[in-house]
Amino acid sequence: EPEVTQTPSHQVTQMGQEVILRCVPISNHLYFYWYRQILGQKVEFLVSFYNNEISEKSEIFDDQFSVERPDGSNFTLKIRSTKLEDSAMYFCASSPIRTEYGGDTQYFGPGTRLTVL
Amino acid sequence: SQQGEEDPQALSIQEGENATMNCSYKTSINNLQWYRQNSGRGLVHLILIRSNEREKHSGRLRVTLDTSKKSSSLLITASRAADTASYFCATDAWDYKLSFGAGTTVTVRA
Repeated sequence: EPEVTQTPSHQVTQMGQEVILRCVPISNHLYFYWYRQILGQKVEFLVSFYNNEISEKSEIFDDQFSVERPDGSNFTLKIRSTKLEDSAMYFCASSPIRTEYGGDTQYFGPGTRLTVL
Repeated sequence: SQQGEEDPQALSIQEGENATMNCSYKTSINNLQWYRQNSGRGLVHLILIRSNEREKHSGRLRVTLDTSKKSSSLLITASRAADTASYFCATDAWDYKLSFGAGTTVTVRA
């Protein structure tokens, strides 16, 4: 069964450094998402991406964050200058084309645990 | 916010028993999805129920949706040790993002 994959599984970085989290969505999916989960808290939406542009973003997704689909398979989240409070599990998700009949199930990857020191 | 809120926060049951957890939300939705998360791991999609559906089954899972009460329930029948996990409801309000609740932590005792 196709899966969303994410690399690395764990990333440790120093405050102020840039990090890039990578995701390979399911191959025929068209919608891509990033969520994060701070330890012990709810999963929070960050951004959705369709047709090579951001569809929606949350208040968390400020100028320090950016997303890119550099080729036909990868989807990346970049945090330009990491802060301690960016420490969290970051999940990538993807879904197929949305119609009135469905296509809106979001399939999540295993996550990247980001630790900012 | 149309975030789902699960109830109870934690549930401990004996293997073989049924586990029921509830989710409430605030605004109208397109669909509601249930996910499972094993400790520190990824989110596994369990089931999606649309706003025009009232009940759905998948294996040992049964989900109900009452849009008039803005609530959903997830029933796991004949629980197993492997069902030990956190369970989250997430609502989709046609805006291409899921709003998650805080989750119910289920412990199945052998």
